[in-house]
Amino acid sequence: DGGITQSPKYLFRKEGQNVTLSCEQNLNHDAMYWYRQDPGQGLRLIYYSQIVNDFQKGDIAEGYSVSREKKESFPLTVTSAQKNPTAFYLCASSPGGGMFPNQPQHFGDGTRLSIL
Amino acid sequence: SQQGEEDPQALSIQEGENATMNCSYKTSINNLQWYRQNSGRGLVHLILIRSNEREKHSGRLRVTLDTSKKSSSLLITASRAADTASYFCAYGGWDDKIIFGKGTRLHILP
Repeated sequence: DGGITQSPKYLFRKEGQNVTLSCEQNLNHDAMYWYRQDPGQGLRLIYYSQIVNDFQKGDIAEGYSVSREKKESFPLTVTSAQKNPTAFYLCASSPGGGMFPNQPQHFGDGTRLSIL
Repeated sequence: SQQGEEDPQALSIQEGENATMNCSYKTSINNLQWYRQNSGRGLVHLILIRSNEREKHSGRLRVTLDTSKKSSSLLITASRAADTASYFCAYGGWDDKIIFGKGTRLHILP
């Protein structure tokens, strides 16, 4: 079955540590996204990528980094510069715009990150 | 902030009743989408309505869009226990970014 796989499901970070969240998709989608979800805040965009080897900052990119070396993979690193990283992180993908932007996004089941 | 707003923030209804959620947004849009999120899971796309459409149906879902008021509504008819979830509207312009609202928490009472 096609879909998006996020791992791990739960992750704990120590002070001063960088951690990397994995996101893999087999939907052959061009566009991939990372969102942060805090209680009562909805989803906020961290980074997005419309094509391999290219990505753009979203609304809350500070303290995060990404790479897009393969179409299937879009890992997110939460760096030690992110002082309040405790949140639910969601990865999504979509076919990509071209003539038809804003197509429906497919989501993984998230990674819950907590501070030790 | 361009983030949309859903109304109400939370809604509890009896099973079998209809549930209505509203969404207001601030920018011009290409389309507006509704998503469902069960507790601790990712979002699932429910329905998309384009800016030149006024109403759309999918099973027990009915979505309306009023671009003059920058608002949309989602109606779930004959609610079931399995409809208990959070519902988000999301909208975008002509790039591939979409903006999510803060969501409505729907609780269906047995």
